[in-house]
Amino acid sequence: DTEVTQTPKHLVMGMTNKKSLKCEQHMGHRAMYWYKQKAKKPPELMFVYSYEKLSINESVPSRFSPECPNSSLLNLHLHALQPEDSALYLCASAPGVGLSEQYFGPGTRLTVT
Amino acid sequence: AQSVTQPDIHITVSEGASLELRCNYSYGATPYLFWYVQSPGQGLQLLLKYFSGDTLVQGIKGFEAEFKRSQSSFNLRKPSVHWSDAAEYFCAVGVNNNDMRFGAGTRLTVKP
Repeated sequence: DTEVTQTPKHLVMGMTNKKSLKCEQHMGHRAMYWYKQKAKKPPELMFVYSYEKLSINESVPSRFSPECPNSSLLNLHLHALQPEDSALYLCASAPGVGLSEQYFGPGTRLTVT
Repeated sequence: AQSVTQPDIHITVSEGASLELRCNYSYGATPYLFWYVQSPGQGLQLLLKYFSGDTLVQGIKGFEAEFKRSQSSFNLRKPSVHWSDAAEYFCAVGVNNNDMRFGAGTRLTVKP
């Protein structure tokens, strides 16, 4: 299984809502990532988990809260988002031992109203 | 600082024509280099990667790339483009453990 899955595919939420994005991989990878991608832009790194510990937080606002319950799962909890947070949120995984390619999920299209 | 530059924002080629997408990197050591492709609203798919060894790398979908250290380049090529190749292409460099920096992307349009 060489797939990274993400749910939901689309999400519309109000600025007072709380929601979560989910990401799962069964490749035995030990590094997992959250990226934010605006239209016509490259992905921007948000968070990196390495061996289930947060290793990189790229100064992301606290309204985004990552969680890595186990080595296969990665969540992104959303609370009190702003309309400018509307974007494609991509999850990726990598073996986690040194530099390697990352495998991306299909993304969640988030719209904040 | 490590960075990746894709000089061409948008390229249009005719179906069946050859393609070359440019990528230049700035990195002190031997870089880990990647090309990804993204169709609209989709995730990124790895086309090929370079870590070391043979500087001409073969990838999926008939793509290849050549690492040229003297020019700090890693250009992507395809001898004959198909309409299904229309997409956004990102060059990326691996920096430190578990980190990757992307270029701004090149959008490829294929004319019938």
